Amino acid sequence: KQEVTQIPAALSVPEGENLVLNCSFTDSAIYNLQWFRQDPGKGLTSLLLIQSSQREQTSGRLNASLDKSSGRSTLYIAASQPGDSATYLCAVRRSGSARQLTFGSGTQLTVLP
Amino acid sequence: EAQVTQNPRYLITVTGKKLTVTCSQNMNHEYMSWYRQDPGLGLRQIYYSMNVEVTDKGDVPEGYKVSRKEKRNFPLILESPSPNQTSLYFCASSLLTGTGYNSPLHFGNGTRLTVT
Repeated sequence: KQEVTQIPAALSVPEGENLVLNCSFTDSAIYNLQWFRQDPGKGLTSLLLIQSSQREQTSGRLNASLDKSSGRSTLYIAASQPGDSATYLCAVRRSGSARQLTFGSGTQLTVLP
Repeated sequence: EAQVTQNPRYLITVTGKKLTVTCSQNMNHEYMSWYRQDPGLGLRQIYYSMNVEVTDKGDVPEGYKVSRKEKRNFPLILESPSPNQTSLYFCASSLLTGTGYNSPLHFGNGTRLTVT
């Protein structure tokens, strides 16, 4: 069974700092991996989706990388802003069982002004 | 506006009283899914559907039912709610045609259910 872990559970940084969020998964046979953002009282918003054949994806100040062999993905946020404060979750679709998605528990990010 | 709409946003009920949480999407998505989110356990999939009349169990289907009679709607039914079903519920949808599962998942804003 696929397990997805995100460490740390919470992170606080000063505004302007570059930061990296981590996501690890136990089964490297994945179909794709998605990063989401969740704001309090809201649903999840998809940030980036990396297909199994890709190594990274970029959107604005966000860059997500994928290393299947080591079972790891990172989300890099450049020049962090207070508006980036939210919980960030990664989710993995497993090959052969691509219908289902397994989520990590998330990293709660606070960017201090 | 493209969106996934869940209703109600908040629901308090008593044990055993049947309830339905509605989910509707206006993006013509084939794939729809229900999740529950609990502290320390993250998001867990309850049921999913790949198209009309095609549904399947996720990781935690016990105590829930779903139906997919129309492409846009995917209601979640609790026939006899119990306190351990108190949770935050999310509906989500995505495209399948032409993309396989490589299409972003769109989420509703959630339904907070309390069963006393």
